[in-house]
Amino acid sequence: QKEVEQNSGPLSVPEGAIASLNCTYSDRVSQSFFWYRQYSGKSPELIMSIYSNGDKEDGRFTAQLNKASQYVSLLIRDSQPSDSATYLCAVKNFGNEKLTFGTGTRLTIIP
Amino acid sequence: DAGVIQSPRHEVTEMGQEVTLRCKPISGHDYLFWYRQTMMRGLELLIYFNNNVPIDDSGMPEDRFSAKMPNASFSTLKIQPSEPRDSAVYFCASSSSWTSGRPKPYEQYFGPGTRLTVT
Repeated sequence: QKEVEQNSGPLSVPEGAIASLNCTYSDRVSQSFFWYRQYSGKSPELIMSIYSNGDKEDGRFTAQLNKASQYVSLLIRDSQPSDSATYLCAVKNFGNEKLTFGTGTRLTIIP
Repeated sequence: DAGVIQSPRHEVTEMGQEVTLRCKPISGHDYLFWYRQTMMRGLELLIYFNNNVPIDDSGMPEDRFSAKMPNASFSTLKIQPSEPRDSAVYFCASSSSWTSGRPKPYEQYFGPGTRLTVT
């Protein structure tokens, strides 16, 4: 079992709709959770971090964390073509600075 | 603040040659990470440093790879000799620790990467 799992996609969403990206992790001591966006040929860009159960909102983005079920999700409201990218989920465990990345979900917003 | 800086942005070299990749972390960050990204293996952590000291190099694939951090503002990743299977994009990232007093600890910020092609 991979430590961090994501559906590779591609996930296609109509412009203006909500895009929902999911990530599950295997280690119960995972402490911090991050979502990165990576455009083709570019470097990963941090868009959200979340540390405690519940929702965290930042503009059109909402991160949701459920530690009991070991999943974290990212919602993108009012999806725009510029949101088309690969989204990487990353997990940090307690006492360790390393991030473990999922393989990413490729999101395409259809105009 | 300037972001993480990497050089060169592109490197094309022949098999057997030495390759040196360079990174300047964000000022004030005390952690530095080297990653490699390929289509097949995704994003892999190679090594990371804390206060210029290597902490975990378990991701370094072979003895051909070595990394140094002589001071807080500079790190190198060297491949000698290079092989075609080393072709990948190499990223450097930096972050600050909880004890550093800086905002947003643990968040890693990536440089633009070096695209390495070994022929």
